[in-house]
Amino acid sequence: GQQVMQIPQYQHVQEGEDFTTYCNSSTTLSNIQWYKQRPGGHPVFLIQLVKSGEVKKQKRLTFQFGEAKKNSSLHITATQTTDVGTYFCAGRSNYQLIWGAGTKLIIKP
Amino acid sequence: SAVISQKPSRDICQRGTSLTIQCQVDSQVTMMFWYRQQPGQSLTLIATANQGSEATYESGFVIDKFPISRPNLTFSTLTVSNMSPEDSSIYLCSVEEGLAGPGELFFGEGSRLTVL
Repeated sequence: GQQVMQIPQYQHVQEGEDFTTYCNSSTTLSNIQWYKQRPGGHPVFLIQLVKSGEVKKQKRLTFQFGEAKKNSSLHITATQTTDVGTYFCAGRSNYQLIWGAGTKLIIKP
Repeated sequence: SAVISQKPSRDICQRGTSLTIQCQVDSQVTMMFWYRQQPGQSLTLIATANQGSEATYESGFVIDKFPISRPNLTFSTLTVSNMSPEDSSIYLCSVEEGLAGPGELFFGEGSRLTVL
């Protein structure tokens, strides 16, 4: 079946370091969405990418959608403690939303 | 964006019993979705609740185990029937918003269910 692979599963960073999570789909996607889930919370929508090669920025967060519309990445510059949580990608294919496994961002004390 | 109220927020239940989770949205929405999220895992779609018709279930989920009601455009319930410890999970209600076609999902706070 259709899958969206997301790596890494966890990433430990020092505060101030950068963080990146990657998603790769087995099929071409019509769009991809990113969500953040804080510990104990529910997923919160961050952004949707639709166009091939699209890049969008939200302050320290940069989202990219690949040229083939099969992969995407989220990069956070200079992480802060408020960035802690799990980041999920969700790719849309044939009106189905396929969720990645999530990447948990952990800030080292 | 839609505001979604979900209850109960958490419950501890005995094996073999059933629990109904309610989801109330502050605006009319066409489709409501029920997800399950096991600890440390991703989201798994249980079913899509359509107003005026039966819910559409995903592979691995059946109506007898997870009956869903959708009496109007702002409300839905999910029942977890004949519970076992394997049903311990967070259950999330969500709605979709988009100006043209499928858009982003908004989630309720979730119902954390523990089955003993």
